[in-house]
Amino acid sequence: ILNVEQSPQSLHVQEGDSTNFTCSFPSSNFYALHWYRWETAKSPEALFVMTLNGDEKKKGRISATLNTKEGYSYLYIKGSQPEDSATYLCASDSSGYNKLIFGAGTRLAVHP
Amino acid sequence: NAGVTQTPKFQVLKTGQSMTLQCAQDMNHEYMSWYRQDPGMGLRLIHYSVGAGITDQGEVPNGYNVSRSTTEDFPLRLLSAAPSQTSVYFCASRTRGTNEKLFFGSGTQLSVL
Repeated sequence: ILNVEQSPQSLHVQEGDSTNFTCSFPSSNFYALHWYRWETAKSPEALFVMTLNGDEKKKGRISATLNTKEGYSYLYIKGSQPEDSATYLCASDSSGYNKLIFGAGTRLAVHP
Repeated sequence: NAGVTQTPKFQVLKTGQSMTLQCAQDMNHEYMSWYRQDPGMGLRLIHYSVGAGITDQGEVPNGYNVSRSTTEDFPLRLLSAAPSQTSVYFCASRTRGTNEKLFFGSGTQLSVL
């Protein structure tokens, strides 16, 4: 079983701060790295799916980078807003056919 | 477009009872999977399927059975419920392809007393 780790476990920032989280995953047999945003009482929703080393994705104030050789991905949020408060999950696909393994998540709280 | 539909939303069982959590998707997705969510542990993969008639075990399969007789449905069966199976269960689906995202159902909150 793969081990996908996320850090930090939780994070408290002030509105307007920029922040970033880390996802580390086994670099062997890599197919894809997923990021999901999970608000309380809702279902996880996809942010990004990245497959290539050096890939960078952006969606509004949120962006992500991928290093498959060393097995890590960063998620960045620029100018955090209270509505960014959520748990951010990453998941590694090392099978190529639906066996996605998730990390425990980073819980972000943005204070006004 | 309903997406991924899970039923029931809430369920309370007694130890030893059996039940089936239903999951259906209307997006013609080949891939479906079941996860459980426990505090501090994120989502853990129970079972997954890459198509009708094809299933495989995930990280925590013990105590659960699945089958995939149609593309649309992927039920999760608890044969003899245990308190350790108290959790929130999510079904997810996606189309074939390594760069395709998961779509999640709304979850089933299960308590085993």
